[in-house]
Amino acid sequence: AQSVTQPDIHITVSEGASLELRCNYSYGATPYLFWYVQSPGQGLQLLLKYFSGDTLVQGIKGFEAEFKRSQSSFNLRKPSVHWSDAAEYFCAVGATGGGNKLTFGTGTQLKVEL
Amino acid sequence: GAGVSQSPSNKVTEKGKDVELRCDPISGHTALYWYRQSLGQGLEFLIYFQGNSAPDKSGLPSDRFSAERTGGSVSTLTIQRTQQEDSAVYLCASSLRQGPTEAFFGQGTRLTVV
Repeated sequence: AQSVTQPDIHITVSEGASLELRCNYSYGATPYLFWYVQSPGQGLQLLLKYFSGDTLVQGIKGFEAEFKRSQSSFNLRKPSVHWSDAAEYFCAVGATGGGNKLTFGTGTQLKVEL
Repeated sequence: GAGVSQSPSNKVTEKGKDVELRCDPISGHTALYWYRQSLGQGLEFLIYFQGNSAPDKSGLPSDRFSAERTGGSVSTLTIQRTQQEDSAVYLCASSLRQGPTEAFFGQGTRLTVV
């Protein structure tokens, strides 16, 4: 069974600083990987996804993520954080069989200091 | 519609009552998913529909939980004899097809059992 680990529960960064959110996955085959963001009281919005091909993927709002098979990682990065990026971020892996149900990590709460 | 719509947005119910949560997926999306988000449990998969059939119900926590989908569109999640541990945010998502593709999430129904 697949699993996702987000080791950082809370992260605080200053506005304008760079950001890296960690995600490690466990899956027996080539994973389909996603990063979602959730603002308070809102649903989940997709930031970016990896299915195959180029291991560096670009997403919305200036985010990017790099798939590293050797490290089973899919870390999310942003070179300069904005105050509006404060939210909870979820990494997820999608199953390749029986639909695309997602297994989520426990999330990382990002706080941005002005 | 433009996005996944869920109703009600908030529901407070007394322990032991039945509740129905509704999800209107994006038009044309054949795959529909229900997830539950609760403190301490994170985001959990409940059930997946492809069309009107549910090939994966593995996440339903007990036989008090059921779901149906009619006309390949609207889905209803029913919880019978609600318990306090059912309190959570119930999220619905839809995608254009099964397999690796983006899932779009609704804003969720916050269920509180008192």
